[in-house]
Amino acid sequence: DAKTTQPPSMDCAEGRAANLPCNHSTISGNEYVYWYRQIHSQGPQYIIHGLKNNETNEMASLIITEDRKSSTLILPHATLRDTAVYYCIVRVSNGNQFYFGTGTSLTVIP
Amino acid sequence: DTAVSQTPKYLVTQMGNDKSIKCEQNLGHDTMYWYKQDSKKFLKIMFSYNNKELIINETVPNRFSPKSPDKAHLNLHINSLELGDSAVYFCASSQGGAFDEQYFGPGTRLTVT
Repeated sequence: DAKTTQPPSMDCAEGRAANLPCNHSTISGNEYVYWYRQIHSQGPQYIIHGLKNNETNEMASLIITEDRKSSTLILPHATLRDTAVYYCIVRVSNGNQFYFGTGTSLTVIP
Repeated sequence: DTAVSQTPKYLVTQMGNDKSIKCEQNLGHDTMYWYKQDSKKFLKIMFSYNNKELIINETVPNRFSPKSPDKAHLNLHINSLELGDSAVYFCASSQGGAFDEQYFGPGTRLTVT
């Protein structure tokens, strides 16, 4: 499975959009991009995933570049409760590995 | 209702003991997982079961033995506990294939003294 690279930390002002980048330059054509987050001391929470097209759900939007070598998770209106570690993961469909990596620690500032 | 529950939430025990952590999901999912998160916050898959059958078994000491009595339960038994086993253990479940949208439990913090 492809590895991912994320900035270790980011800050975002409350109410503003949080844009979390992820590089996955070695991604293969059949690998999906997944995003999870882990709020302090809780279990990870699924956010969104995609293959090629941009995706949006009630939590966030996922923008995948045309070459698929990078993606951005967008939280449109960040709140204090969005402070968490955000993990970008790529995996092969029906693959048997799922690496969480080190993630990006997002702090939403009042 | 809690979707994925784990018991106990905290477990403190001495080296050499045997302990179990229980996990139950009420989502009707086919696949369940055990993850370990160490002190550096690295989260790593240990095992995965699909419909009570083991489908993923990472390089984990054989002191760790998962057991799935039915597809709603996946328990983790650990023999001869060592200091390095201290970590937070998360159970998760998903519908369909391995690693599809996973729902995680609250975690069990294991401390071995």
